Amino acid sequence: GAGVSQSPRYKVAKRGQDVALRCDPISGHVSLFWYQQALGQGPEFLTYFQNEAQLDKSGLPSDRFFAERPEGSVSTLKIQRTQQEDSAVYLCASSPGWGSVNEQFFGPGTRLTVL
Amino acid sequence: DAKTTQPTSMDCAEGRAANLPCNHSTISGNEYVYWYRQIHSQGPQYIIHGLKNNETNEMASLIITEDRKSSTLILPHATLRDTAVYYCIVRVLADNYGQNFVFGPGTRLSVLP
Repeated sequence: GAGVSQSPRYKVAKRGQDVALRCDPISGHVSLFWYQQALGQGPEFLTYFQNEAQLDKSGLPSDRFFAERPEGSVSTLKIQRTQQEDSAVYLCASSPGWGSVNEQFFGPGTRLTVL
Repeated sequence: DAKTTQPTSMDCAEGRAANLPCNHSTISGNEYVYWYRQIHSQGPQYIIHGLKNNETNEMASLIITEDRKSSTLILPHATLRDTAVYYCIVRVLADNYGQNFVFGPGTRLSVLP
């Protein structure tokens, strides 16, 4: 498929476990964004990559959150020692980075539930 | 904080036009107005965007006031599948200006049969 894919779609973790969420952006897209969406809220920005460079991580809520995009394509969001407040949908989006539209294409999200 | 304000919810009868307002009184000259929607259990989907002229595509029309402080998204013939949360966002065009999308709570549109 040509869209953004994310895996797993659902993840249940026990409090204290580490989790890793994967994002496969659209091929050739320079920009990649991670968002966190709590129930009933709009998505909130976590971090932004331009190719492999993480240019903005101001939205990461704590140092337990870590993201990487080592080869400028696939990205992984890792959450260490998960807490109940980490329960949310994690959305990945990619975009060309520029252009007349420069829309962000969102994946379906990973729903994380921390017990 | 989001730079836009939208009504929390709206209803629209199927087949009628849905007009979704958005206020963005602090918009900067280089910021565009983007509209996205999010259908239940899916990621947000791009609808349309514009700078100062009215825009139309196969999904919707975007009307921006002359002072650019507000806009209206128009779905000309709403269907049940248009039931979703609609987000109005202002942002510059290029990602490398370091600005991400700031989503507010959006407007929950319910299209009623």
